[in-house]
Parts: sequence; structure tokens; C-alpha cells
Amino acid sequence: EVQLVQSEAEVKKVGESLKIACKGSGYSFTSYWIGWVRQMPGKGLEWMGFIFPSDSDTRYSPSFQGHVTISADKSINTAYLHWSSLKASDTAIYYCARNDPFDYWGRGTLVTVSS
Amino acid sequence: SSELTQDPAVSVALGQTVRITCQGDSLRDYYASWYQQKPGQAPVLVISGKNNRPSGISDRFSGSTSGNTASLTITGAQAEDEADYYCDSRVNSDKHVVFGGGTKLTVL
Repeated sequence: EVQLVQSEAEVKKVGESLKIACKGSGYSFTSYWIGWVRQMPGKGLEWMGFIFPSDSDTRYSPSFQGHVTISADKSINTAYLHWSSLKASDTAIYYCARNDPFDYWGRGTLVTVSS
Repeated sequence: SSELTQDPAVSVALGQTVRITCQGDSLRDYYASWYQQKPGQAPVLVISGKNNRPSGISDRFSGSTSGNTASLTITGAQAEDEADYYCDSRVNSDKHVVFGGGTKLTVL
């Protein structure tokens, strides 16, 4: 059974760093792109970027380029989304999903950033 | 343009047929995929490619494309189909993905 298990909810302060994780199982982790999708409170889905774990080829949405870093550790079947300095506007649910299409999704990680 | 446009809200009477549309230039080159999202849940893929339903998705759901418009049709809508629906497609020579703004479906 394909599963994407995401890390637990996080509460952080503005300016802090954060890395959230997405662990894949039940399939060949290195054979599929893993994408990250943001959903701000009450809003729609936004594609942030994705990574191909086999060679770490990474693509970013222009809206998120430079604001987050996507990485992967294929030895432990895990993809990551990292912020070096959080903003209050980063408050959202972040989903990872296997691509293409996005056929399996994690349950989401709620990130709350307060000042 | 790399945008996908959806109607914000659509309603359908119980048991009737509804079409949810998604417009964008990228749809002339790439198929849309469609996702259903219910409150408090992660999105679920319902249609991909030309008209492919993942295992476990009701055959009430079907997809089609004409020109720059992709459509998700729900035939005989049920109460459990009430949800937000999003389309997406590849853009930028297949290097990026874009989502539509989403359509809130109400089943009356």
C-alpha cells in the first residue's frame, strides 16, 4: 500500500527555521516525483515545487523559488520542505503528494507561524 | 499564460448531472487532472489523463477536454460529492504544475 506519512503539526515564531518531512512507503521512492502543495486557511491549492529523489532534480514554482528549499534523502525514502526564516504568511497546511498526476497524498502538516 | 481558471461555485440538484470546467492555454498541450477535497481532508485524485479513474473512484466521475477547456462531469450527483474540486496541469514545457482556483460544488 502506497503511503506518504508527514510530520506532525508545528508552531513556530516569525524568523525561525523549519524543516518538515514526508516519508514514502509501499512503492519505489526513487521512481516518482514528490511534490509539495500549500493550502492557506480557507484558500485553494498552490503547487510549490517537486523533487525527483533518484537524482534530486528539483523544480520550483516561481512564487516559491528562493523562499523554500525542497530536498530528499533517498536512503530513508523521505522528502523535505525547509524554511530558513519563517513569515506569518507561511501559516498553512502543507501537503506532499506523489506525481504525476498527484495520485497519493500525505495527510498534511499544519504550520502555524506567530509573531 | 500559465493560469487555470475555474468557476468559484457550482450547484446541482441531487441525482442530476453537473459539469465543472477548467480553462487555460496549457490544456491545449497537457491533460488536466482533477482532485476532490472535502473539509478537513487531503485532496483525492478522481480523474487523470484523457479520462482515467483511479481504483475506488465512482464511475459517476468522467473527464473530457476540448480546446483549452477541461471538464469534470459528475453524472447523477450524490450528497457525498459535495466538495471542492481542483484541476491541475503541467505547464512550462512540462517543468512546472499549476492548479486552478477550485470550484465549490453544492448538492441541493
